[in-house]
Amino acid sequence: DVKVTQSSRYLVKRTGEKVFLECVQDMDHENMFWYRQDPGLGLRLIYFSYDVKMKEKGDIPEGYSVSREKKERFSLILESASTNQTSMYLCASSSPLFFWQFFGPGTRLTVL
Amino acid sequence: AQSVTQPDIHITVSEGASLELRCNYSYGATPYLFWYVQSPGQGLQLLLKYFSGDTLVQGIKGFEAEFKRSQSSFNLRKPSVHWSDAAEYFCAVGSPSGGSYIPTFGRGTSLIVHP
Repeated sequence: DVKVTQSSRYLVKRTGEKVFLECVQDMDHENMFWYRQDPGLGLRLIYFSYDVKMKEKGDIPEGYSVSREKKERFSLILESASTNQTSMYLCASSSPLFFWQFFGPGTRLTVL
Repeated sequence: AQSVTQPDIHITVSEGASLELRCNYSYGATPYLFWYVQSPGQGLQLLLKYFSGDTLVQGIKGFEAEFKRSQSSFNLRKPSVHWSDAAEYFCAVGSPSGGSYIPTFGRGTSLIVHP
């Protein structure tokens, strides 16, 4: 089975801190995604990546950046965390052959 | 642009009753359609998918969904709900783009199961 892991289940940070969220998948998938999930808003795509060192903006990239130096790892970076970035962050991966996504368990980030 | 509407924010059913969760989509071509389930505190898990062919698709955990092109719908059904089915359900639509797949998700339907 595909496994997508995220570095933390819960994270508490202060306003202005730099925050790193890490995601690792073990099935050699080309595509990786970062979403944020907020009540009533569903999943909103922040960034995605087709390949190593490739990245594309999603629907809400403002305030975020990403890094993909290795195929299995996709990092989401909050350069200067703000309270409106308090949310659940979900990482996903997929293969171009199969199209559906495999999700990690999520990181619930609180910015104080 | 593609979009997904899940008209029901919450659905409450009794254990053992049947279930139907609604999903309507807007898409310019033949869509790829998905239902995912998210248990409390967890990530999303694929329940079932439709790409082509038979319009009634079977998924895991006893769920099924029917693609109706004329109604632009992909409703999820289960004949008898179990308490463990209480979760958030997401419908998604999309297609391959540039060699990948970028889905659009609905806002989700929260299923509450009464004993």
